[in-house]
Amino acid sequence: GAVVSQHPSRVICKSGTSVKIECRSLDFQATTMFWYRQFPKQSLMLMATSNEGSKATYEQGVEKDKFLINHASLTLSTLTVTSAHPEDSSFYICSARGGRATGELFFGEGSRLTVL
Amino acid sequence: EDQVTQSPEALRLQEGESSSLNCSYTVSGLRGLFWYRQDPGKGPEFLFTLYSAGEEKEKERLKATLTKKESFLHITAPKPEDSATYLCAVQAGGGYNKLIFGAGTRLAVHP
Repeated sequence: GAVVSQHPSRVICKSGTSVKIECRSLDFQATTMFWYRQFPKQSLMLMATSNEGSKATYEQGVEKDKFLINHASLTLSTLTVTSAHPEDSSFYICSARGGRATGELFFGEGSRLTVL
Repeated sequence: EDQVTQSPEALRLQEGESSSLNCSYTVSGLRGLFWYRQDPGKGPEFLFTLYSAGEEKEKERLKATLTKKESFLHITAPKPEDSATYLCAVQAGGGYNKLIFGAGTRLAVHP
């Protein structure tokens, strides 16, 4: 099946620093990738939709200047958490569509961000 | 408003004790219903996609079914390795690919 790789899997940073998370589709091209955030024992909340070659579409309540998304190629999308604060600590997961138009979305392994 | 509700929130089974997880949804123009398995600290693992009422899909001990209002994930003779959180998600119409997730069911299977 389609594989989505995420890096890093864990990151710890100091408050005020920026952190970049990469999401790669390994064996298929993804014109659209999705970024989710998940708090402990809660479900996935969509943050934004990343579109190759154009601006990302953010969900209501998600600060686009806080969470910068770049989708520079058909296999790579990045999420940068700028000036991170402890409340940004969370599990961030990306996904990409690997099948037909309404087909499966495959997820990366997730990135655990801890802001001290 | 599109909505997905999963029940129960948590389920504890003995090994071999079959059961079903429920996913109820209200969505305008269902394009697909998805089941995922998520282990702690990991990203969701794709299990099934169902597209229309009456459709069924099976994989090992799991069977997913779909009606116009809900989906069931049946687990037959579960094993401890089936312990995980099972997530249901729907994709609505309108040409937008985003998924709306339920809160999940945490399944624990004990020997």
